[in-house]
Amino acid sequence: AQKITQTQPGMFVQEKEAVTLDCTYDTSDQSYGLFWYKQPSSGEMIFLIYQGSYDEQNATEGRYSLNFQKARKSANLVISASQLGDSAMYFCAMRVKYGKLTFGQGTILTVHP
Amino acid sequence: DADVTQTPRNRITKTGKRIMLECSQTKGHDRMYWYRQDPGLGLRLIYYSFDVKDINKGEISDGYSVSRQAQAKFSLSLESAIPNQTALYFCATSDFGRTGELFFGEGSRLTVL
Repeated sequence: AQKITQTQPGMFVQEKEAVTLDCTYDTSDQSYGLFWYKQPSSGEMIFLIYQGSYDEQNATEGRYSLNFQKARKSANLVISASQLGDSAMYFCAMRVKYGKLTFGQGTILTVHP
Repeated sequence: DADVTQTPRNRITKTGKRIMLECSQTKGHDRMYWYRQDPGLGLRLIYYSFDVKDINKGEISDGYSVSRQAQAKFSLSLESAIPNQTALYFCATSDFGRTGELFFGEGSRLTVL
């Protein structure tokens, strides 16, 4: 069975600082994908970044980067230069077979001015 | 207009009532999903469909049924709603592309009294 674990229920960061949101996963599949989604207080789900299990480079999208450590089965999200608008719930997710995504419990990030 | 549209956005109902949540998409994707979100539990898969003739149970399908009326339409029904089905429900779509990322609707908040 596939499992995603986010151990940080809440995180705080000062504006303009960097923050790392943790995500570990468990799967026996060799081919899988890892995702991060952002959910602002308005409720919509916003796709941030993707990492494939065979991708050799860590994924980056603007201020977001994914610190992929395959041997440790971790896929942490790094947000650089935090902004007030980054305050939201963040979900890590994994895709294995048949396109289904399994989600973690989420981490609430609060950015302080 | 949103690519993935859910109706209703909000619904309050009573125990024992039948409720239908509807989802339509203009993305042209074959794959459609229903998830529910509960605090502390992340998003959990209820049902998914890979084409009009394909319906599959997710991890929490008990108490729910679905109908894939067309490629673009996927409805979720609660035959006899109960209070623990109070949650935020998301419809999502995906294609067969490299990432297989999910594209979410805006969510339907259901309260069962």
